[in-house]
Amino acid sequence: KAGVTQTPRYLIKTRGQQVTLSCSPISGHRSVSWYQQTPGQGLQFLFEYFSETQRNKGNFPGRFSGRQFSNSRSEMNVSTLELGDSALYLCASSPSVGGADTQYFGPGTRLTVL
Amino acid sequence: AQKVTQAQTEISVVEKEDVTLDCVYETRDTTYYLFWYKQPPSGELVFLIRRNSFDEQNEISGRYSWNFQKSTSSFNFTITASQVVDSAVYFCALSEARNNDMRFGAGTRLTVKP
Repeated sequence: KAGVTQTPRYLIKTRGQQVTLSCSPISGHRSVSWYQQTPGQGLQFLFEYFSETQRNKGNFPGRFSGRQFSNSRSEMNVSTLELGDSALYLCASSPSVGGADTQYFGPGTRLTVL
Repeated sequence: AQKVTQAQTEISVVEKEDVTLDCVYETRDTTYYLFWYKQPPSGELVFLIRRNSFDEQNEISGRYSWNFQKSTSSFNFTITASQVVDSAVYFCALSEARNNDMRFGAGTRLTVKP
C-alpha cells in the first residue's frame, strides 16, 4: 500500500500571501489530521477531518483552514501568511476517528515565509 | 488536559550500547493510547510502537522494547544494541479515545556514534 503523500514538499512564500497544501491519505483511510512542527512549539495539532467534516480543531487562528474531499484527500490553507507560519506541516491518516487508530504520517511540506 | 513530557533533550551513545528514552504523560481519561514515533532528518514521522491504556503488558519487538507503567504514568522506550541508523529524534505521543488530537512530547534527539 502506498503511504501518505503530501505536495508540495517545499514551498517559499512571502508575508501576506496565501498557501494551499495537499495530502493524500493511505488507501482506505478516512481520517486526515494536520500538524504543525516548529522548533519553538514542537508538534501541534491543527485539525482533523473525517467524511468531509472537520471533527476537531486545535488552537490556531482562523487563518488556518482545511477541507476534505469525497475521496478522503485533504487540503489545508493558510491565508495572510506571517513569518511565524514557517514550519513543517505534517499530514497523518488513520482508518477512522478516535484515538484508537494509529496515525501514519506523510513526509511533510516545509513552508518558508519570507 | 493531556500532556506528554520527554525530559531528555539529547542523548548520545556509542554503537551497540542500549539506550532508554523516557516519557511521562498526563491524562484524565481512563482509555488512552500511547505511541512512539521516530523522525529521521528527512522529516517524516515513522510509527514505531503503540500501547493501549488497558494493556500494561510490556513487549519486545526486535531491538525495540517498551515499559508501560500506569502507576507512574510512564511509557519508556528502549533500543537494544543501538546502530548508527537509529540516530533520529524520537517522539512520545498520547491520544485519547474521543479523537485524533494527538499530543506530542518535545522529542529526544538520539545520536548513535560509530
